[in-house]
Amino acid sequence: DIQMTQSPSSLSASVGDRVTITCRASQTNIRYLNWYQQKPGKAPKLLIYGASRLHSGVPSRFSGSGSGTDFTLTISGLQPEDFATYYCQQSFPTTFGPGTKVEIK
Amino acid sequence: QEQLVESGGGLVKPGGSLTLSCAASGFTFSDYYMSWIRQAPGKGLEWVSYISGSGGTIYYADSVKGRFTISRDNAKNSLYLQMNSLRAEDTAVYFCARDPGYMDVWGNGTTVTVSS
Repeated sequence: DIQMTQSPSSLSASVGDRVTITCRASQTNIRYLNWYQQKPGKAPKLLIYGASRLHSGVPSRFSGSGSGTDFTLTISGLQPEDFATYYCQQSFPTTFGPGTKVEIK
Repeated sequence: QEQLVESGGGLVKPGGSLTLSCAASGFTFSDYYMSWIRQAPGKGLEWVSYISGSGGTIYYADSVKGRFTISRDNAKNSLYLQMNSLRAEDTAVYFCARDPGYMDVWGNGTTVTVSS
């Protein structure tokens, strides 16, 4: 099975900062690489699918890139509502990364 | 609008059984793969199982294989997860999600607690 790792596991940042989260797969045959945001007590929300495609309604400050085994989620200009935990996920078979918690500095 | 609503969670003793349901609305349910995902208290997301639109393709995580059964009733726009031989480590919030390769619609989750 494909394993997903994320770095960092947590980070502290200020409003307006540019934040980058990395996701690495243990194998190269990724079908879909997706990113989700989750706030405490809530269901996850899809941000990015297919490594770089912005899901409908998601602000353009979120972007995704990467291929092969290495992928990144970038938030350009962190907003107060962006403090949350972010997960990468690859599909079929499905595996989630362990998550990256973005906290207020 | 597209919506998923889970139900059926609760408190069950180790070794017991429970069936979760997920009611879909606002989209053509039979067109989509559907997944169950769970989240143990304070932990990350764990994919549990998925099923194709016709029900003909099914996969399970190794942690639940042989104990859980996913199914769907397209006439009722409903997804199910039959959980048997429950263990303490199955305690989690269980989410259903529409999954065409990415989980774009999620329910709010239903809580399963396995405890004596």
